[in-house]
Amino acid sequence: AQSVTQLDSHVSVSEGTPVLLRCNYSSSYSPSLFWYVQHPNKGLQLLLKYTSAATLVKGINGFEAEFKKSETSFHLTKPSAHMSDAAEYFCVVRLEYGNKLVFGAGTILRVKS
Amino acid sequence: DAGVIQSPRHEVTEMGQEVTLRCKPISGHDYLFWYRQTMMRGLELLIYFNNNVPIDDSGMPEDRFSAKMPNASFSTLKIQPSEPRDSAVYFCASSLSGAGTYEQYFGPGTRLTVT
Repeated sequence: AQSVTQLDSHVSVSEGTPVLLRCNYSSSYSPSLFWYVQHPNKGLQLLLKYTSAATLVKGINGFEAEFKKSETSFHLTKPSAHMSDAAEYFCVVRLEYGNKLVFGAGTILRVKS
Repeated sequence: DAGVIQSPRHEVTEMGQEVTLRCKPISGHDYLFWYRQTMMRGLELLIYFNNNVPIDDSGMPEDRFSAKMPNASFSTLKIQPSEPRDSAVYFCASSLSGAGTYEQYFGPGTRLTVT
């Protein structure tokens, strides 16, 4: 069955430094993968998606993720953190059949000034 | 587009009362999902519809929960009777099949507090 594992429940970075949020997936086929962001007391917003096109996917707000099949990873990165990036981030995989998504447990990103 | 619309944004009710949450999906989307989010359990899928028909309700916690989608632009999630452990944020999301990308668009959520 398809699943995702977010390797860190909390990540803390200083403003202006790089961000790395790690996600490993499990899938028996070429998956559709997503990253969503949730700011405090807000809904979930799609950051980016991978659907078997380019392995390096660019999203909104300067975020990008690289699909690595050999490592079964889909890590989210950003070169320089901004205070407004402080939020919870979810790695998500689509189930093989139908439109159901499976969400990771989430990683809370803290950005220090 | 206005995005997914949910109402009310906040609901406070007493145990035993009926609660109805409402959702308007993005126009043209044919899938609608109801999720519940709590600190303890994270984000859980409760039920989803395709073309107004319930496809999978295996996530509905118990018979106190019911959901309907009478038309393509409206869905409700009802809890009767409500209990304190139902306190959570309930999200509605919609998506468009055939686009090949499967992403879901989420509403702002309804924060339910049952006292």
